[in-house]
Amino acid sequence: ETGVTQTPRHLVMGMTNKKSLKCEQHLGHNAMYWYKQSAKKPLELMFVYNFKEQTENNSVPSRFSPECPNSSHLFLHLHTLQPEDSALYLCASSRQGSDTQYFGPGTRLTVL
Amino acid sequence: QKEVEQNSGPLSVPEGAIASLNCTYSDRVSQSFFWYRQYSGKSPELIMSIYSNGDKEDGRFTAQLNKASQYVSLLIRDSQPSDSATYLCAVNRVDQAGTALIFGKGTTLSVSS
Repeated sequence: ETGVTQTPRHLVMGMTNKKSLKCEQHLGHNAMYWYKQSAKKPLELMFVYNFKEQTENNSVPSRFSPECPNSSHLFLHLHTLQPEDSALYLCASSRQGSDTQYFGPGTRLTVL
Repeated sequence: QKEVEQNSGPLSVPEGAIASLNCTYSDRVSQSFFWYRQYSGKSPELIMSIYSNGDKEDGRFTAQLNKASQYVSLLIRDSQPSDSATYLCAVNRVDQAGTALIFGKGTTLSVSS
């Protein structure tokens, strides 16, 4: 158990739906990350938050909207997704000043 | 474009053998190097980190780092079928955007009994 939880673990949604992914870390970390993992491609960093402030957005389409209300919680709001957005979405956290990241179990997203 | 390169495999070894996984990276200023193991359908699990040139051993795992050659490797001794997974190499990125990890595509290891 890594101390990072994600819900839901599986999500199927239509292209017109709105849904949210949730991540919570119980490790006392203050940096949190969203990654996308598609088949045959390396992990793609999407967003980085440090102390609740977004410090990185890797040219992610606006149909993905992150929210970080505090250092323990991270959300990814999804709206008008495309089938190519189907992937495993992973949340990770780390201590400020450390590169060591710990991953949650991921949300397997399917967009129909 | 900062990159981390891994042979995608599959790398097949018999049970009890040594599995050798390799990784090269492009950014000379990288200082932190990680190996993650990812079972099919699961999330990456940190198994080793290394920061200095040379070898670092943890049980059956040995990470090796050569910054001059921009090369990091993972040796798994006495390979077990339970070691069958995809191994991700990750390297820290330091630039004006801050620090983050860059991941390779991973090497799939298959250990046969």
